[in-house]
Amino acid sequence: AQTVTQSQPEMSVQEAETVTLSCTYDTSESDYYLFWYKQPPSRQMILVIRQEAYKQQNATENRFSVNFQKAAKSFSLKISDSQLGDAAMYFCAYAEEYGNKLVFGAGTILRVKS
Amino acid sequence: KAGVTQTPRYLIKTRGQQVTLSCSPISGHRSVSWYQQTPGQGLQFLFEYFSETQRNKGNFPGRFSGRQFSNSRSEMNVSTLELGDSALYLCATKAGNSYNEQFFGPGTRLTVL
Repeated sequence: AQTVTQSQPEMSVQEAETVTLSCTYDTSESDYYLFWYKQPPSRQMILVIRQEAYKQQNATENRFSVNFQKAAKSFSLKISDSQLGDAAMYFCAYAEEYGNKLVFGAGTILRVKS
Repeated sequence: KAGVTQTPRYLIKTRGQQVTLSCSPISGHRSVSWYQQTPGQGLQFLFEYFSETQRNKGNFPGRFSGRQFSNSRSEMNVSTLELGDSALYLCATKAGNSYNEQFFGPGTRLTVL
């Protein structure tokens, strides 16, 4: 079965600084999707960024970018110019078959200090 | 465009009872997935429905069941509630059969006493 591991239960970053959240996964598939989701205290889960495994280019969405290392099965999220609104629980997730049936990591709580 | 709606938002039940949770997808979305979120087990996939058919199922006991109606609204039912069923239940909906972003609802907080 596929597994997703987030080894950092909690991270802190100073406002305007950069932080990287780590994620590793295990799969025998060659075609899949990887995601980072954000869950603020209000609990509404929001998609931050996604990466298709067949794409070599790392995905970028404004201040958010990923470092996708397929051979190492690593998928880290970099948040640049951190803002107070970035404070949330971040989940790394994996899926096959058109992005259905998400497998989530345990999550990383990100605290942003002003 | 209205987002994913889940009702009720909060629910308190006692052991042995059953409960039904509802999820109304974004208009046009035909896929509805359900997830259970607990502090101990994290986020776990329950099942996915597409066009009224269960397409995927997670590793949960038969007490957890679901269905989808012709208007794509979905319900999940938990029978014979146990204390361990206390959780946030999230549904996520997406448009079609190819890759599309899943949009999550706000969740239903179930407390079993």
